[in-house]
Amino acid sequence: QKEVEQDPGPLSVPEGAIVSLNCTYSNSAFQYFMWYRQYSRKGPELLMYTYSSGNKEDGRFTAQVDKSSKYISLFIRDSQPSDSATYLCATELSSRGYNKLIFGAGTRLAVHP
Amino acid sequence: GAVVSQHPSWVICKSGTSVKIECRSLDFQATTMFWYRQFPKQSLMLMATSNEGSKATYEQGVEKDKFLINHASLTLSTLTVTSAHPEDSSFYICSADTGTSIRREQYFGPGTRLTVT
Repeated sequence: QKEVEQDPGPLSVPEGAIVSLNCTYSNSAFQYFMWYRQYSRKGPELLMYTYSSGNKEDGRFTAQVDKSSKYISLFIRDSQPSDSATYLCATELSSRGYNKLIFGAGTRLAVHP
Repeated sequence: GAVVSQHPSWVICKSGTSVKIECRSLDFQATTMFWYRQFPKQSLMLMATSNEGSKATYEQGVEKDKFLINHASLTLSTLTVTSAHPEDSSFYICSADTGTSIRREQYFGPGTRLTVT
C-alpha cells in the first residue's frame, strides 16, 4: 500500500465549478499535510498546508483534513482556466533532522471556459 | 521570497556522458536541499537529501555512484548524472528547506528536463 494515495484523474470541469480533490494516507503519525500545484514542465508550488485535523481557507481554496478517516481534501471554488494544473497532495515524515515529503500521484485538472 | 533556481532548464546528452544540474536558493540560505525525479504523468520521487558540507543521504534504490550530489555552500547543490543512459531521461527537480524555526517548508525549483539519446 502506498503511503499517500491520490486518483490521477484527469478531471475536467467547466469554468466556475467547484472542484474537489482528494487523497488518503496510511500512517496515522502524519501530522502536516500539504497541497502543491504543478503547471506543466514546472516545479511544484506550495498552495496550502494544514496541521492535524480541520479546515484551512485561502481565497478560493479550502484544505480539509480528517485524521479519523485519514482523508485529505482540497476544494477550489469558482474554478478558473488558470487553475488547470496537476495538484499534488503531500505529507511529511521527520527523519534524520529533516522533513521528507511524501507525495501522492497528483491529479490533473482541466478547467475549460 | 524563497526562490529556487535550476540550471539548465533542459539538456540533451548522449548515452555514456555525464550531466551536471545546479540548484540554487536565491534569497535564502538552505542547509538542506532535496533532489527529486519525476517521470511523465507520475509523482515526484525523492532521490536524495543533501546537507551543506556533508555527504548526501540517498533513498533506497538510488545509486549513489551514478547520481553524485555535492552541496558545497548554503545556496548551491549540484546533481551529476554520471554515464547517463536513456532510462535516466526524466524531469529532475530540486527543493530547498528554508529551515526556519517556525515552520520548515520546501520550495521547489522549476526543474531540469534531461533527455539522453
